[in-house]
Amino acid sequence: DAKTTQPPSMDCAEGRAANLPCNHSTISGNEYVYWYRQIHSQGPQYIIHGLKNNETNEMASLIITEDRKSSTLILPHATLRDTAVYYCIVRALSGNTGKLIFGQGTTLQVKP
Amino acid sequence: EPEVTQTPSHQVTQMGQEVILRCVPISNHLYFYWYRQILGQKVEFLVSFYNNEISEKSEIFDDQFSVERPDGSNFTLKIRSTKLEDSAMYFCASSDVGMNTEAFFGQGTRLTVV
Repeated sequence: DAKTTQPPSMDCAEGRAANLPCNHSTISGNEYVYWYRQIHSQGPQYIIHGLKNNETNEMASLIITEDRKSSTLILPHATLRDTAVYYCIVRALSGNTGKLIFGQGTTLQVKP
Repeated sequence: EPEVTQTPSHQVTQMGQEVILRCVPISNHLYFYWYRQILGQKVEFLVSFYNNEISEKSEIFDDQFSVERPDGSNFTLKIRSTKLEDSAMYFCASSDVGMNTEAFFGQGTRLTVV
C-alpha cells in the first residue's frame, strides 16, 4: 500500500476554509485516495474519496494533483464540530480485502 | 441513514476471560472488518471477512482472535483469553462490493482488561 504523509497538526479559524494536505508520491494507478476523520475516539467517519478527478460532496472537496502524488481536503466553512483527526489513506484493494491502513493523521483544531 | 452498530459500548473483563464483541453491519454490505485502537495510538487493521471466510488478517490477529458471522446480520470478534494489552477500542466496519466504495465504521466497543 502506498504511504501517505500529513502534517501532524493544523489550526483553522471557525468559518474559514480548512485545507488539509496529503502527500502520496508512491500511489499506484489503481489506488484511490480516501479521507476519514475521527472525532475524539469515536468510530472513523468517511468523508470523501477519489481516483484522479476532483470530487465534492456535502461535507468536503477533494483536490488531487494531476500527477496524483498529492491531494488536499477542503472543508469550505469549518465549524467547531470539525475539530478532529483527519486521515488521508490510499486504499489498495488486494484480493477482496479493501482494508484501510491508518497513519497518524492531521489533528485539526478549529478555533472560535 | 443505515449505520454499523456495535455492542456493548464498554466491556470490562478479567484477564484470561473470553470476550465476544458484537457488530451488526449495514444490511446489504458484503465486506466486514475489525480494527482496534489502543488509547493514544493509531487505528490498526485486524481482519477482513468476505463470503464467510477471512480474506486477510494482520499479525495482531493471532490464534487468540476469531471472527464469525453466526447469522445473516451479526458479525462477531472473539478474544479467547484476554490479556491486559488487549485493552483498546474495537471498531467494526462494513463496505459494499467493488473498489470504489467506502467503509462505514461503528462507534466502537471499549474493552478494558483488568
